[in-house]
Amino acid sequence: EAGVAQSPRYKIIEKRQSVAFWCNPISGHATLYWYQQILGQGPKLLIQFQNNGVVDDSQLPKDRFSAERLKGVDSTLKIQPAKLEDSAVYLCASSLDRAQPQHFGDGTRLSIL
Amino acid sequence: GDSVTQMEGPVTLSEEAFLTINCTYTATGYPSLFWYVQYPGEGLQLLLKATKADDKGSNKGFEATYRKETTSFHLEKGSVQVSDSAVYFCALSDNTGGFKTIFGAGTRLFVKA
Repeated sequence: EAGVAQSPRYKIIEKRQSVAFWCNPISGHATLYWYQQILGQGPKLLIQFQNNGVVDDSQLPKDRFSAERLKGVDSTLKIQPAKLEDSAVYLCASSLDRAQPQHFGDGTRLSIL
Repeated sequence: GDSVTQMEGPVTLSEEAFLTINCTYTATGYPSLFWYVQYPGEGLQLLLKATKADDKGSNKGFEATYRKETTSFHLEKGSVQVSDSAVYFCALSDNTGGFKTIFGAGTRLFVKA
């Protein structure tokens, strides 16, 4: 089966600019996750979708980050405006349902200048 | 709240050496426990899992046993190979409805030929 697809792989922007990431989960997976992985740390959950509804966004900085999952398939994560501390790898993952193991994409490495 | 603590790395071993990476957790309920591996330039992959006390997860020669009495889930392998060089993440997922996954900080393993 095809894995979780993410794009772009790399992105460099200046602070205060905006950026968007895209994720296409494995077909049939109801649950989709966005994680932020800062260098040297483990992934931190930003938002979790069940189909097209939000299950958990308690750690999403809502003043600058937003995410949507239209039609319960693809998802986009946006940062506007970006800050230096947003430099990280943004990982998307999906699972059949919330109780099943997650499958991760290769991530988008974001650098803020 | 729930948390995961891993031994700090990097861990450097010679090929065929015995590997142990320590992981302890704090959780209010009875979580599922996981080890994920991240090879250079790739996304995280599930290595093994255990869903209840005394369960042993195993895969690719790696093993970990869910120890409720010591709240631990240490990763072991009897004979490491150069190809095992990667970052290993211990994680827990609460099973109380949210199924939120919390990751440790990761332990980098270098295996020398």
